[in-house]
Amino acid sequence: RKEVEQDPGPFNVPEGATVAFNCTYSNSASQSFFWYRQDCRKEPKLLMSVYSSGNEDGRFTAQLNRASQYISLLIRDSKLSDSATYLCVGGDADKLIFGTGTRLQVFP
Amino acid sequence: DAMVIQNPRYQVTQFGKPVTLSCSQTLNHNVMYWYQQKSSQAPKLLFHYYDKDFNNEADTPDNFQSRRPNTSFCFLDIRSPGLGDAAMYLCATSSTTGGYGYTFGSGTRLTVV
Repeated sequence: RKEVEQDPGPFNVPEGATVAFNCTYSNSASQSFFWYRQDCRKEPKLLMSVYSSGNEDGRFTAQLNRASQYISLLIRDSKLSDSATYLCVGGDADKLIFGTGTRLQVFP
Repeated sequence: DAMVIQNPRYQVTQFGKPVTLSCSQTLNHNVMYWYQQKSSQAPKLLFHYYDKDFNNEADTPDNFQSRRPNTSFCFLDIRSPGLGDAAMYLCATSSTTGGYGYTFGSGTRLTVV
């Protein structure tokens, strides 16, 4: 079982749609969680941290459920520029493990 | 701007010919990481330095070595590149051991011919 698992997608959604990505992690000792965005052939860039209390940044909302070992990312009012791969990341103080990513394609 | 810089962006090397990838940072972060990312796969941690302490992942091949001569620089040495080592190599830094996310360099895309 992979340590961090994501649905690879792709998710094809129209502009303005709301889309949700889910991720599960296997290591219950994991303490730190993030969502990264990666554009084609580019490096990953930090999108947002994920907390149990929920974290919102504009159109993006991230949530952590420790009991279920589940992380989510909600994108509201999708833009064409949101098209990318979204990497779920979790780990402990010494190591972060990346999921394989969920590809999002927003179309006009 | 403070950043993580990787050189070169693209590297072509011959099968079996040693190659070195470099990473420098102006963030003064004490932790530096090397990840390998193959097409459509997750970045895979090869090793990391916590200050001068080297931490190798158990499944990192011996073919991969690293050096960190000072806080700002870190090198990835591939002693005998094989075709399977073709990938994007990402350097990342953090100010704590990952607790606040990583800052990535733009990566070096390695081609082995």
